[in-house]
Amino acid sequence: DAGITQSPRHKVTETGTPVTLRCHQTENHRYMYWYRQDPGHGLRLIHYSYGVKDTDKGEVSDGYSVSRSKTEDFLLTLESATSSQTSVYFCAISGGSGATTYEQYFGPGTRLTVT
Amino acid sequence: KNQVEQSPQSLIILEGKNCTLQCNYTVSPFSNLRWYKQDTGRGPVSLTIMTFSENTKSNGRYTATLDADTKQSSLHITASQLSDSASYICVVTGTGANNLFFGTGTRLTVIP
Repeated sequence: DAGITQSPRHKVTETGTPVTLRCHQTENHRYMYWYRQDPGHGLRLIHYSYGVKDTDKGEVSDGYSVSRSKTEDFLLTLESATSSQTSVYFCAISGGSGATTYEQYFGPGTRLTVT
Repeated sequence: KNQVEQSPQSLIILEGKNCTLQCNYTVSPFSNLRWYKQDTGRGPVSLTIMTFSENTKSNGRYTATLDADTKQSSLHITASQLSDSASYICVVTGTGANNLFFGTGTRLTVIP
C-alpha cells in the first residue's frame, strides 16, 4: 500500500458522535485525498490537501472537515456522524517525483459503520 | 457533464480465458486515464496509466488501450487466473490534482 496507513481500520459508532479518521504516509507526497466508496457509486472525493494547512473541498464534503498539520498526516473528521456516512473511506496520495507524478496510491481503507 | 461509464457491471469467466472490460468517458479536457484493480477489502492498485498520446500499454497479462478520439478505453486480460477476481476501476483525470472522475467498476469473477 505504498507507505500509507489508515487508522482505525474498522469503527462502529453511534449517530451524533464525532469521529476522526487518520491517514499517515511515509512517501513525502504533496497531495493527500479522502474518498468514500459506496455500492453503486465510484469513489467520491470528500476533501483533498495540496500541502500543509492547504485543503479544499471535493464532491461530497458536507458533514466532513479535514486538517493537515504535517506533510505525513491527513485527518478526516465527522463532526456529528450520521447513518448516511456509513461507508468505506480511502486515503490516497500523489505528487511523487518523476514518472510517478500522476500516480495516485491508495491506503487500505477504513470501514465506518454509524448506527 | 464529466462522466465515466464502465461495462459490463459484472463478469464471470473460466480460468484461462481472456476478457475485455470497457470504459467510456466524457471528461474534457483530458489529462490521463488509469485502470485500477481493487481486491475485496483492499484499496485500489494501479495497473496502467495512459496519457493522450498513448494508445496502448501493457502490464503483464493486462493490456489497456485508449482511443482519445472516441473517448473509449478497454482493459484486456489474457489467460485469466483466479487471482484476477477483483473490481476493475477506470479513472479519467482532467486538469488539476483534484479533477479525477471514477467509474463504478467492473466486478470480475474467475472460476476454476
